[in-house]
Amino acid sequence: ELKVEQNPLFLSMQEGKNYTIYCNYSTTSDRLYWYRQDPGKSLESLFVLLSNGAVKQEGRLMASLDTKARLSTLHITAAVHDLSATYFCAVDAGGTSYGKLTFGQGTILTVHP
Amino acid sequence: EPEVTQTPSHQVTQMGQEVILRCVPISNHLYFYWYRQILGQKVEFLVSFYNNEISEKSEIFDDQFSVERPDGSNFTLKIRSTKLEDSAMYFCASIIPGQINTEAFFGQGTRLTVV
Repeated sequence: ELKVEQNPLFLSMQEGKNYTIYCNYSTTSDRLYWYRQDPGKSLESLFVLLSNGAVKQEGRLMASLDTKARLSTLHITAAVHDLSATYFCAVDAGGTSYGKLTFGQGTILTVHP
Repeated sequence: EPEVTQTPSHQVTQMGQEVILRCVPISNHLYFYWYRQILGQKVEFLVSFYNNEISEKSEIFDDQFSVERPDGSNFTLKIRSTKLEDSAMYFCASIIPGQINTEAFFGQGTRLTVV
């Protein structure tokens, strides 16, 4: 059974600082997603990472995937208050379970002035 | 940009009542999914649907739940007799298989409140 673990689960940051959220998963996969969720809202797709070594950047967020280590990271550069949200990684089980996503627990990010 | 559409956005129902949540997946997608997110928790897989039948379901998806694609465009989730613990956000998703850069698209969700 595919397990996905994120850490930290809670992250309190000062504006302007950098930090990284980690997503570990237990079985082979070649498709990993990062989502942002604001309270009471839907899932906003941030990144889809499709291969080993994939790196994608959008604004202050950068995501990477290491399929050999079964690890993805979401790096936040010079955080701003608008980045406060919950961030989820999700891993596609692949194979006969193609498209079925297993989500991490989520990281609640709070950015303080 | 194509999108997955869910209705209603919020539904309040009494315990024991039947509810039907509706989703219109992206038109050329072939795999469809329902997920659930209890308030403050992670998103959990409920069921996947392909070629007009369930391809996989989780332990959560018991006999109270059913899915169907009645008319080739809508994809519905029915809960026969709702319980308080069914209160959650329900997300529909769809994907087209076989393409390297494909990704799953999620709808905006239906917040179900059982009272």
